[in-house]
Amino acid sequence: AQKVTQAQTEISVVEKEDVTLDCVYETRDTTYYLFWYKQPPSGELVFLIRRNSFDEQNEISGRYSWNFQKSTSSFNFTITASQVVDSAVYFCALSEAAGRRALTFGSGTRLQVQP
Amino acid sequence: KAGVTQTPRYLIKTRGQQVTLSCSPISGHRSVSWYQQTPGQGLQFLFEYFSETQRNKGNFPGRFSGRQFSNSRSEMNVSTLELGDSALYLCASSLGETGSYTDTQYFGPGTRLTVL
Repeated sequence: AQKVTQAQTEISVVEKEDVTLDCVYETRDTTYYLFWYKQPPSGELVFLIRRNSFDEQNEISGRYSWNFQKSTSSFNFTITASQVVDSAVYFCALSEAAGRRALTFGSGTRLQVQP
Repeated sequence: KAGVTQTPRYLIKTRGQQVTLSCSPISGHRSVSWYQQTPGQGLQFLFEYFSETQRNKGNFPGRFSGRQFSNSRSEMNVSTLELGDSALYLCASSLGETGSYTDTQYFGPGTRLTVL
């Protein structure tokens, strides 16, 4: 069975600090897909990034960067120079095989960015 | 392009009643998935519909059912409501192509159901 662990329940930082959100996953599939979603107080899950298991290239998008390491089954997310608008709950998710849409989510990390 | 829409946004029901939630996917998306989010259990997959057929199912009792129409809109029904069904119900749509390595689920704002 697949599993996603986000050990950090809540993180509080001051604006402009860098912050890393950890995600560790378990799966027996050799092909799988990893995602990060952001959930602001409004409740909607906002898609941030998708990474396929055969693509270990790290990615940077503005202040956001993702570090995918298959060797440690981790897919960590870093926000550089955090802003108050980054305050939200962030979820890491996993889906196995191309035919299945079922996402297995971690328990989420609540990020609070103080001004 | 309009995003995923869900109606209603809020619902209050009493135990024993039934409820129907609606989801309209992004134009061109043929797959609709439903998730339940509760403080205790987190986000859990309910089921997925593609081309009017249930393609995947999570581990929920038969009181939870769904359907999809020819225009890809989907409805979810919960019968004989229990207090524990109080949750945020999220719908997600994707292109749905089998074998696609780029398919991503985009979520709607959710329907918050309160069972009294």
